[in-house]
Amino acid sequence: AQTVTQSQPEMSVQEAETVTLSCTYDTSESDYYLFWYKQPPSRQMILVIRQEAYKQQNATENRFSVNFQKAAKSFSLKISDSQLGDAAMYFCAYRNLISGSRLTFGEGTQLTVNP
Amino acid sequence: GAVVSQHPSRVICKSGTSVKIECRSLDFQATTMFWYRQFPKQSLMLMATSNEGSKATYEQGVEKDKFLINHASLTLSTLTVTSAHPEDSSFYICSALVGPGDYGYTFGSGTRLTVV
Repeated sequence: AQTVTQSQPEMSVQEAETVTLSCTYDTSESDYYLFWYKQPPSRQMILVIRQEAYKQQNATENRFSVNFQKAAKSFSLKISDSQLGDAAMYFCAYRNLISGSRLTFGEGTQLTVNP
Repeated sequence: GAVVSQHPSRVICKSGTSVKIECRSLDFQATTMFWYRQFPKQSLMLMATSNEGSKATYEQGVEKDKFLINHASLTLSTLTVTSAHPEDSSFYICSALVGPGDYGYTFGSGTRLTVV
């Protein structure tokens, strides 16, 4: 079974600084998707960024970028120029494209942004 | 973009009663809907996967007779918590697969259930 591990329960960053959230996963498949979701205090799940495993190029979305290391099964999220609105719980998630459509979530990392 | 509307946002019910949570896809057809439960400061735990017109597939340990899922149309899926007890108090979230050719998901805004 696939597992997703986020080893940092909590992280903090100063406003305008850069922070990296870690995520590792375990799978025997070669074709899959990886996601980072943000859950602010409203608890609405918001897609931050996604990466297709077959793509070597790391995905970027404005201030958010990933470092996808397929061989190492690592998928970290970098947030640049952190803003107060970035404060939230961040979940890494995995989807296998072969055997179903379910998402497997990591435990989450609570990010605090200090003014 | 694809939106899922989830209602109610919060509900308080008495122990022993049933409560229904609805998720509607507003601008797309949701052939597959996922139902999650989330405890405070924890991750989302998948309860069941439902496909339109067929029976839901429940995760191990989830009581199918207690958490009834109906996905009778392409735009509506419901979760009914039957004979609710205080331990069923939690945050419930639905999520829909956006559609073929798109491997993304859209989430409802969640329902805070409190059983007293």
